[in-house]
Amino acid sequence: QQQVKQSPQSLIVQKGGISIINCAYENTAFDYFPWYQQFPGKGPALLIAIRPDVSEKKEGRFTISFNKSAKQFSLHIMDSQPGDSATYFCAASKEGNKLVFGAGTILRVKS
Amino acid sequence: DTAVSQTPKYLVTQMGNDKSIKCEQNLGHDTMYWYKQDSKKFLKIMFSYNNKELIINETVPNRFSPKSPDKAHLNLHINSLELGDSAVYFCASSPKLARETQYFGPGTRLLVL
Repeated sequence: QQQVKQSPQSLIVQKGGISIINCAYENTAFDYFPWYQQFPGKGPALLIAIRPDVSEKKEGRFTISFNKSAKQFSLHIMDSQPGDSATYFCAASKEGNKLVFGAGTILRVKS
Repeated sequence: DTAVSQTPKYLVTQMGNDKSIKCEQNLGHDTMYWYKQDSKKFLKIMFSYNNKELIINETVPNRFSPKSPDKAHLNLHINSLELGDSAVYFCASSPKLARETQYFGPGTRLLVL
């Protein structure tokens, strides 16, 4: 049972473009939605996170949009740079429970 | 200063062997985790300890046994290694439970031949 569905599986974006990664979840009890970034050979690192009391959170070039009624959330990377090339994971959890990760999106930004 | 460290970084071994992976965090966190990342990069939690107490134990074969001697350490022992155990194993820690930032170690790449 895949509780968090992530798309696309891979994404190629031109430098300066917008990268968009989408996630959908099933469990309405989830109340914490982080995005993790993983570079090759490294462990995942928290990029940005949102709780369902807000519809959008922005940190620099990274924005999470959250749609509670649709049970969807997405990551937007503005002005994408080659250094953003990595694997991105969305995740979700509920109070006191484990993080459930999406399957990951491999992003490649072409210079 | 490395926040979450794992040893070894690489582990190549034969089927049937027993091996251990060690993890240490110097962040003062209460909670530690073991994750498995398969060849398709899918990341799945295996275990979670909070203050040395096991709180999450996913459907993991009994051959995998975590041990937490203190809240800064969480080791993973694997008995009778199988080909399907080949993966990258990540240790992580967080201040309390899953709804806070989890800090991942660099991973241990296990290859079972």
